[in-house]
Amino acid sequence: DAMVIQNPRYQVTQFGKPVTLSCSQTLNHNVMYWYQQKSSQAPKLLFHYYDKDFNNEADTPDNFQSRRPNTSFCFLDIRSPGLGDAAMYLCATKPGGEGYEQYFGPGTRLTVT
Amino acid sequence: QKEVEQNSGPLSVPEGAIASLNCTYSDRVSQSFFWYRQYSGKSPELIMSIYSNGDKEDGRFTAQLNKASQYVSLLIRDSQPSDSATYLCAVKDNNDMRFGAGTRLTVKP
Repeated sequence: DAMVIQNPRYQVTQFGKPVTLSCSQTLNHNVMYWYQQKSSQAPKLLFHYYDKDFNNEADTPDNFQSRRPNTSFCFLDIRSPGLGDAAMYLCATKPGGEGYEQYFGPGTRLTVT
Repeated sequence: QKEVEQNSGPLSVPEGAIASLNCTYSDRVSQSFFWYRQYSGKSPELIMSIYSNGDKEDGRFTAQLNKASQYVSLLIRDSQPSDSATYLCAVKDNNDMRFGAGTRLTVKP
């Protein structure tokens, strides 16, 4: 039973063409995260939501935006993808508060042509 | 800049041996520590969490935490070829989770 779902699993977009990645969860967790992971690198936190409270990492490019219309869904919008944005995008969730683990979705592999 | 450092490897051990993976972190106030396993092309999968100093055992896995030294490790006993993966150390304070780049482990039959 999938608990953190990401769609699509593979996305190909053209240079400069906006793209949206989606994440949904059935866990009712307060916190949702978006990470970018490039080959052989650590997952890089882009932003997270605690409920509707949005927290942007200082070095996340303006090209990346996020929306969380309700508890279950969170979207990552890349307004003008560049070749350097090709990566695996990981969504994760966790309950609010200390001492809880974070659970990842399967990821979306983004290719920019 | 808060950092999580891991030896990138590759670390190669024979089947049945103990694999030892290490991680250091820079933020002294960090409270929660995690080990994730990531197979190639897949998302990270949580295998261990540890919150207090000392050892925590779960099956073949033992996590060790030393907050004074800002050091956390993962031991895998009786390593199996299926343990071959990248192991990510993660450190959390408040709602921020920061990852190391991972150590690639290969277990040879």
